[in-house]
Amino acid sequence: SQTIHQWPATLVQPVGSPLSLECTVEGTSNPNLYWYRQAAGRGLQLLFYSVGIGQISSEVPQNLSASRPQDRQFILSSKKLLLSDSGFYLCAWGLRGGPYTGELFFGEGSRLTVL
Amino acid sequence: QQQVKQSPQSLIVQKGGIPIINCAYENTAFDYFPWYQQFPGKGPALLIAIRPDVSEKKEGRFTISFNKSAKQFSLHIMDSQPGDSATYFCAATQRNTGGFKTIFGAGTRLFVKA
Repeated sequence: SQTIHQWPATLVQPVGSPLSLECTVEGTSNPNLYWYRQAAGRGLQLLFYSVGIGQISSEVPQNLSASRPQDRQFILSSKKLLLSDSGFYLCAWGLRGGPYTGELFFGEGSRLTVL
Repeated sequence: QQQVKQSPQSLIVQKGGIPIINCAYENTAFDYFPWYQQFPGKGPALLIAIRPDVSEKKEGRFTISFNKSAKQFSLHIMDSQPGDSATYFCAATQRNTGGFKTIFGAGTRLFVKA
């Protein structure tokens, strides 16, 4: 069966510090990968998605970047965090190829607090 | 960013009541309309989904009603239970090169009183 792992689960960082959140998927090949951010009491904002290694589409211009160095690994980064980067970051994967279902499978999330 | 508008923001019902959550979209290229359920501190999980060629879909106590001409869809929870208390997100998905992209509504926080 497929599983998705995110870490760290919780992170408290000072303004101006760097960030690296990692996500890995097991049990599937060539997944579509996504990073979403959920601000307190708000919806899920799509930040980045990737259809393959090294292929990143950015949805919202901001202080963050994403990379996909391996097929099942997706990394969210920042060189200098802002207070507004605080939130709940969710990685998700979707089936690529085969019957189109459009279903997303989410990780447990990483809660980032920038002080 | 393409929008999906969701209402209400929050909803309180008695056990056994039928909460209804509404969503509207703009982009007619969307071809898959899922609802996700999220419990505190967890990632969302797919609850039920519908395609635009169908007007209604039922799975257990959950029903989606879809109005393609109005570009609206809604979630009904029959015989709601305290365990249904969660945040519900509607979403709309569009295929693109190599995959698909999903846009979410702002979410509805549902509380079912015992």
